[in-house]
Amino acid sequence: DVKVTQSSRYLVKRTGEKVFLECVQDMDHENMFWYRQDPGLGLRLIYFSYDVKMKEKGDIPEGYSVSREKKERFSLILESASTNQTSMYLCASSYGTLGSYTFGSGTRLTVV
Amino acid sequence: GQQLNQSPQSMFIQEGEDVSMNCTSSSIFNTWLWYKQDPGEGPVLLIALYKAGELTSNGRLTAQFGITRKDSFLNISASIPSDVGIYFCAGPARGSARQLTFGSGTQLTVLP
Repeated sequence: DVKVTQSSRYLVKRTGEKVFLECVQDMDHENMFWYRQDPGLGLRLIYFSYDVKMKEKGDIPEGYSVSREKKERFSLILESASTNQTSMYLCASSYGTLGSYTFGSGTRLTVV
Repeated sequence: GQQLNQSPQSMFIQEGEDVSMNCTSSSIFNTWLWYKQDPGEGPVLLIALYKAGELTSNGRLTAQFGITRKDSFLNISASIPSDVGIYFCAGPARGSARQLTFGSGTQLTVLP
């Protein structure tokens, strides 16, 4: 089975800090995605990538950036964390076109 | 824009009862996916549907790809406490061969 690993399950950061959320998948998937999940708002796409060094904005990219230097790793960066970025962050990967996603276990980030 | 309307938003049921939820799209889909998210975890794929009219089972779960190709249904029979979680439907995002669009989820609570 494909495994998607997110580096932290829980994270507490201070306002203004630069935050890195790491995601690694082990099955050579070319597509990787970052979502945030908030009660009542479902899954909202932040950024996605279909190849190394490729990145595209999703629906809510403001305040975030991403990095994909290697195929297996997709990092989400909060340049200057704010309290409204407190959320559950989910990474996913998939293969090819119309492939189903495999999700990581999520990182629950609290910004204080 | 493309929308997936998932209903109901939440359900409270007694252990042993059957559950039905559905998802409708504003456009025709050629794939329907159903995911379950356990509390504090990432979503996990339950069932994938690829053909109009298709009925697929996974244990006590049965999902159907609607004939109109604009809807899908998920049924859970004889619910148990571990069925608790959020159920998401998903389908191909408009204009993308690699992205999925997700419903807002159905929160299921099973009462003992």
